[in-house]
Amino acid sequence: GAGVSQSPSNKVTEKGKDVELRCDPISGHTALYWYRQSLGQGLEFLIYFQGNSAPDKSGLPSDRFSAERTGGSVSTLTIQRTQQEDSAVYLCASTPERRLNTGELFFGEGSRLTVL
Amino acid sequence: GDSVTQMEGPVTLSEEAFLTINCTYTATGYPSLFWYVQYPGEGLQLLLKATKADDKGSNKGFEATYRKETTSFHLEKGSVQVSDSAVYFCALEVIGNEKLTFGTGTRLTIIP
Repeated sequence: GAGVSQSPSNKVTEKGKDVELRCDPISGHTALYWYRQSLGQGLEFLIYFQGNSAPDKSGLPSDRFSAERTGGSVSTLTIQRTQQEDSAVYLCASTPERRLNTGELFFGEGSRLTVL
Repeated sequence: GDSVTQMEGPVTLSEEAFLTINCTYTATGYPSLFWYVQYPGEGLQLLLKATKADDKGSNKGFEATYRKETTSFHLEKGSVQVSDSAVYFCALEVIGNEKLTFGTGTRLTIIP
């Protein structure tokens, strides 16, 4: 399809395991965001990639969280040594480079992570 | 820092009722304001926006007016439908910040 694609849609893992979440942005979109949606917490910004610029990692909650974006397209969010408080829906969004402050992010359906 | 506070849910209304979902904000600079909607089983999508004071954003019968004096951006609709059942998020972006700050979301259920 033409939208933002995320996988897996659901992931159940054991505490202490590492997980990888994948995001395929809309073709041609150079900006990519990761957000986390926890129950009662709204959407929490994690990280932002814009073209070849250094990513804005200011929202990553700990050094267990990392993300990369290969070839300016697909992005992977990695959580190492998962904890129960990492359980949430992880949302990816993309947008064209020249947003001109429109604020329109195009979101995927998210990856629901459950840490047992 | 920047923050958005919106009406706690869930909100349940009958079809054709009037809807208001309150949203207030705190911003370090001059913000643009947005409402996003998340329908069941779908990703968030932009519903409407306003980029300067006194602007009114509108879409699908929903409206919100950027009120700088009260730092508010309340969402309204005159007659809701069952298909409006969704989670609504208020958000802001300060110019140059390049990321949206969201509220906690309000779940709206419309009963026939």
